[in-house]
Order: sequence, then structure tokens, then C-alpha cells
Amino acid sequence: DQQVKQNSPSLSVQEGRISILNCDYTNSMFDYFLWYKKYPAEGPTFLISISSIKDKNEDGRFTVFLNKSAKHLSLHIVPSQPGDSAVYFCAASAREIQGAQKLVFGQGTRLTINP
Amino acid sequence: EAQVTQNPRYLITVTGKKLTVTCSQNMNHEYMSWYRQDPGLGLRQIYYSMNVEVTDKGDVPEGYKVSRKEKRNFPLILESPSPNQTSLYFCASSTRGTQYFGPGTRLTVL
Repeated sequence: DQQVKQNSPSLSVQEGRISILNCDYTNSMFDYFLWYKKYPAEGPTFLISISSIKDKNEDGRFTVFLNKSAKHLSLHIVPSQPGDSAVYFCAASAREIQGAQKLVFGQGTRLTINP
Repeated sequence: EAQVTQNPRYLITVTGKKLTVTCSQNMNHEYMSWYRQDPGLGLRQIYYSMNVEVTDKGDVPEGYKVSRKEKRNFPLILESPSPNQTSLYFCASSTRGTQYFGPGTRLTVL
């Protein structure tokens, strides 16, 4: 049972435009969400996170939106740059119950930024 | 430089031949974890450790063992590898929920 789902295996966006990556979850106990970025032959690197007490968190070109009622979060990248081409993983944890360290990951979305 | 290191980076082995993948971190993190990444499944947690001598099963622990005898090291042991353990493995460490990942070990079991 996939508790965190990224339904789009791939996404192609023009350089300079907005990239929107989506993630859905089923476990209502999740209270902390993260996005990781992964380049080939490297480990995932932390990008941005959001607590369930917020509905938006912004860091430079990256913004994460959380819709708790829909159990949905999204990552917006504006403007998209060629270096953003990577696989993006959504992850969630139920910090109050299991601690911050127990992460559940989605399947990943491969983002390609075209010049 | 703060980092998580894994060795080896690539390994091809045969069914049943015991192997160990090492993981070391220099950030003095209490928490360490092992994941495997498979196509269409994302990263799945194998084992984790909250501190020295404290380990627990993740979501897919079958066929794996771990130990945490010192804070910086968290080796992953496959006592009798099988082809279904062919995968990309990542070690991670953290203190406050944000996990920092190693570069990965690509394991092929023939």
C-alpha cells in the first residue's frame, strides 16, 4: 500500500516556465513533508520541507504548498532552470507518532527542463 | 566537509555470498538509516538506528541485518544475497528530521 504517491513519472518543462510537481498521501497522521532532489549517481539531497501547521513554505525559486483536506502537496519551481533537471521525491513523516526520522517516500518524478 | 560515505559504490556478487556495505557519517548524527531504491517504488526503508546499539526494522527488512556499534558507522549486511536484492542502496543520517544521504551503492546479485 503506497502511502505517498507521485502519479507523474515524468514531467517536461520549458526553461524559464513554472514546474509543478505533485504528491498525494493517504495517511492522515503525516504531519511533516519534504522534497528531495536526486541527480544520477548521487544520493538524494534535501530541497524544502513543510509542517502540517502551514500551507505554504518558500525558499528562493522553490515553494511547497500543502492542502491537508485534499491530502495533497505540490512543489513549484519558478523560473525553471536546466540545472533543475533531476528526479524529485516527495516524502512524509508522522513526527508525533513515529518521530521525524521515519520517512515514507513517493515513487519520484523525473523533471526535464528543455532549453 | 560534512558527508555520508558508502563503500563500495558498485558491487556484483553471486547468490549466497555474504557481503557488507559500509556507511559512515562525520556529522555526529544520532539517527542513521538504510534505504533501497527500485524503479516505480521510490525509496523504501530497510532498517534504522536511533543511536548506538539501538536498531529497528523499517518497511522491507527481510534478508538484511545491521549493527550500530559506534555512532559514525552503520553497516548493512546481506548474509545470503538473492537476486531480488539487486537494487540501489542509500545510507542516510540525521538529527532533526532532515536526512542526509550517501552517494549510493549499486548492488547486482547474479
